[in-house]
Amino acid sequence: GAVVSQHPSWVICKSGTSVKIECRSLDFQATTMFWYRQFPKQSLMLMATSNEGSKATYEQGVEKDKFLINHASLTLSTLTVTSAHPEDSSFYICSAKKGLDTGELFFGEGSRLTVL
Amino acid sequence: GQNIDQPTEMTATEGAIVQINCTYQTSGFNGLFWYQQHAGEAPTFLSYNVLDGLEEKGRFSSFLSRSKGYSYLLLKELQMKDSASYLCAVKDSNYQLIWGAGTKLIIKP
Repeated sequence: GAVVSQHPSWVICKSGTSVKIECRSLDFQATTMFWYRQFPKQSLMLMATSNEGSKATYEQGVEKDKFLINHASLTLSTLTVTSAHPEDSSFYICSAKKGLDTGELFFGEGSRLTVL
Repeated sequence: GQNIDQPTEMTATEGAIVQINCTYQTSGFNGLFWYQQHAGEAPTFLSYNVLDGLEEKGRFSSFLSRSKGYSYLLLKELQMKDSASYLCAVKDSNYQLIWGAGTKLIIKP
């Protein structure tokens, strides 16, 4: 198998502050990582595709200036929620693709963000 | 547009068998995945089908019919820990994953 670690698992912040979430592939190199958000009782919604060394590709409707993604190395991608507001409260999950596209994604544990 | 349909919720009894269906209409097809997600946790991979037929993995099996745009996940000898949401996802011609809304499976003793 492969391990993807996400940190922090839980974060509570005040409205207007920024929060950074890290996603690391621990035992493999991931040229591509994906960021999702998931509201209660809803499916995963892809926010952006993060490629190492290049700009992230954002899905329609996702504000790139609000959700900053950096994929600086083959094992680390970060998502920064800037100027967070209560409506940004959600479960954020990253996944990483290992090797060639055989299909399986490996998911991080998820990060639950609560903005007060 | 692209669409994946699966039932919202299903209930089954411990020890029984349950089949969760998934139908899809996507631009191209490069594989279908089933993931299990317990509440508050990230999804975990269950199966991957790219050719027609049945793939068996222990208590879980997954079936695919590409001509019908149809798949099912079969869970046998249900255990209480199988209570979770089951997500169907299809990789389209651009290798983008299209996710279903998930089926919440409730297991009763």
